[in-house]
Amino acid sequence: SAVISQKPSRDICQRGTSLTIQCQVDSQVTMMFWYRQQPGQSLTLIATANQGSEATYESGFVIDKFPISRPNLTFSTLTVSNMSPEDSSIYLCSVGGGVPRGSYNEQFFGPGTRLTVL
Amino acid sequence: SQQGEEDPQALSIQEGENATMNCSYKTSINNLQWYRQNSGRGLVHLILIRSNEREKHSGRLRVTLDTSKKSSSLLITASRAADTASYFCAPGGTSYGKLTFGQGTILTVHP
Repeated sequence: SAVISQKPSRDICQRGTSLTIQCQVDSQVTMMFWYRQQPGQSLTLIATANQGSEATYESGFVIDKFPISRPNLTFSTLTVSNMSPEDSSIYLCSVGGGVPRGSYNEQFFGPGTRLTVL
Repeated sequence: SQQGEEDPQALSIQEGENATMNCSYKTSINNLQWYRQNSGRGLVHLILIRSNEREKHSGRLRVTLDTSKKSSSLLITASRAADTASYFCAPGGTSYGKLTFGQGTILTVHP
């Protein structure tokens, strides 16, 4: 399995500013994902974080708004840029596929970052 | 990835009773995962069942999978107030693939 931590756990930000969320895993993983959960809604995938290359974004999400980095197999960041109140959500990091490949099949989630934009 | 549809949308029971929630999906899968989310927090992984498995247990949890009906169920026995949460299923295609989530089942267990 994998233990995931996220920083910060919550934040209150002013519109127009940016926030970078960190995701740290206690072991190497193949896949890392970022999800968003707007108030009262289910989870929506933002992008797949690819090690050493650009992230793969889902429809409706763009790199300029949600730049993502993944420098190695245990760490990723998501930045929410030029924030507006509509960005108020819980942002969750998820990991899947232990290294070596096949060591486990489950996908695990971090504790989430609760963002409020004023 | 495909989205699982949970049913019912909401379930309210008394402590000690059993809770059953269902998940349906549309196309063939490699596995299916169940998660719990307490209010405003991250998802906790409950169980993964593979497509060649019919039933799996973990503590008070029992998950079944019927690939012919493209459905799964999660049974929580002897429920507790602490089981109050939203429950999501996530049908999986390829291993390590992205997951798509439905609205979940909101379970309320009254003391």
